Amino acid sequence: NAGVMQNPRHLVRRRGQEARLRCSPMKGHSHVYWYRQLPEEGLKFMVYLQKENIIDESGMPKERFSAEFPKEGPSILRIQQVVRGDSAAYFCASSPTGDISGNTIYFGEGSWLTVV
Amino acid sequence: AQKITQTQPGMFVQEKEAVTLDCTYDTSDPSYGLFWYKQPSSGEMIFLIYQGSYDQQNATEGRYSLNFQKARKSANLVISASQLGDSAMYFCAISASGTYKYIFGTGTRLKVLA
Repeated sequence: NAGVMQNPRHLVRRRGQEARLRCSPMKGHSHVYWYRQLPEEGLKFMVYLQKENIIDESGMPKERFSAEFPKEGPSILRIQQVVRGDSAAYFCASSPTGDISGNTIYFGEGSWLTVV
Repeated sequence: AQKITQTQPGMFVQEKEAVTLDCTYDTSDPSYGLFWYKQPSSGEMIFLIYQGSYDQQNATEGRYSLNFQKARKSANLVISASQLGDSAMYFCAISASGTYKYIFGTGTRLKVLA
């Protein structure tokens, strides 16, 4: 049973380009979360999605960032017109339900974005 | 609102000794979960241990145990018999019951010395 799959693991983009990060949740999981880890910091919640729905995007920057989780295919975190401050590790996680207080979520290995 | 505080940015421990990583939390929710994750230099987040707020006993998983003191709002991680492979960042996190967000602390970098 494959875990949460993220790709690419490492991505380098020039300022102004677009970055697309993909996440395939664990089999049977329909809840996906994206977290961002800035250098030397803990993970910060960005967005929570279920299939075809954004449930909570309160942690997403208002501009340039978007996320989707289509009916078919992986969840995508898209960053348009990247800036140096977007350089971070982006973690995807999934869970079988939306109540994770008594249940762990399963993290992917992360995608490291470097903006040059 | 919930908050996690990890006051030790870095810790050293001698191989085979035990080490305690501190974590205090703040929440107004009566029911919540506490988690510890390990992040090695390769970057992935590895789940270590979970403690529910209503659990009567402290959680244990192999060499990891969670020293849960509810009245003091602390959830310290104890690693027994440290190994070189334990060198990593360690993050404490909290999630309130019925929610879907983890709130993470800033982490503690542990270095195990041979």
